[in-house]
Amino acid sequence: DTVLTQSPALAVSPGERVTISCRASESVSTLMHWYQQKPGQQPTLLIYLASNLESGVPARFSGSGSGTDFTLTIDPVEADDTATYYCQQSWNDPPTFGAGTKLELK
Amino acid sequence: QVKLLQSGAALVKPGASVKMSCKASGYTFTDYWVSWVKQSHGKSLEWIGEIYPNSGATNFNEKFKGKATLTVDKSTSTAYMELSRLTSEDSAIYYCTRQGNWSFDYWGQGVMVTVSS
Repeated sequence: DTVLTQSPALAVSPGERVTISCRASESVSTLMHWYQQKPGQQPTLLIYLASNLESGVPARFSGSGSGTDFTLTIDPVEADDTATYYCQQSWNDPPTFGAGTKLELK
Repeated sequence: QVKLLQSGAALVKPGASVKMSCKASGYTFTDYWVSWVKQSHGKSLEWIGEIYPNSGATNFNEKFKGKATLTVDKSTSTAYMELSRLTSEDSAIYYCTRQGNWSFDYWGQGVMVTVSS
């Protein structure tokens, strides 16, 4: 299975720019997606196909990358962005998720 | 608007089975694959499998073959997942999701399954 590696946690101040990385163990082309999960809630889609903003998601969120290296950027970060962020690939079977990056605000 | 409404939490005994539902609304149910995703307590997400409501075709993660059975009722726009021979390892939250743009674009609220005697 394709393993997706994310840094476990980040702490930033409101108003700053944060980048969350995801590295795949093999190429996933641009079939990489990002989700936000707040405590006690289901995940929600932020970015699909590496760089496409899901409808209704603030333009503060953006995604980039292809092949094995991908980035989710939040600029500027707001207090409401406290959550865990997951990357997910759908190029190789089975679809797999990263372990998640927990974003905390200082 | 698209909604996926899942059934309530379940407490089941080891060795038993559980069947959960996912009722879709706000879109044409037969046009989109429905996937199921497992989230163990405090952990990441695992894809279990998918079903295409129009034909009933299914695909599974090898890890969950023999564990999960996926079905649909087109007349009620409802997808079902049954988990069999439950152990403590099956205690988790289970989500149904709609697949759109190669991703999981809508999620149900989740079903918490607790396996305990």
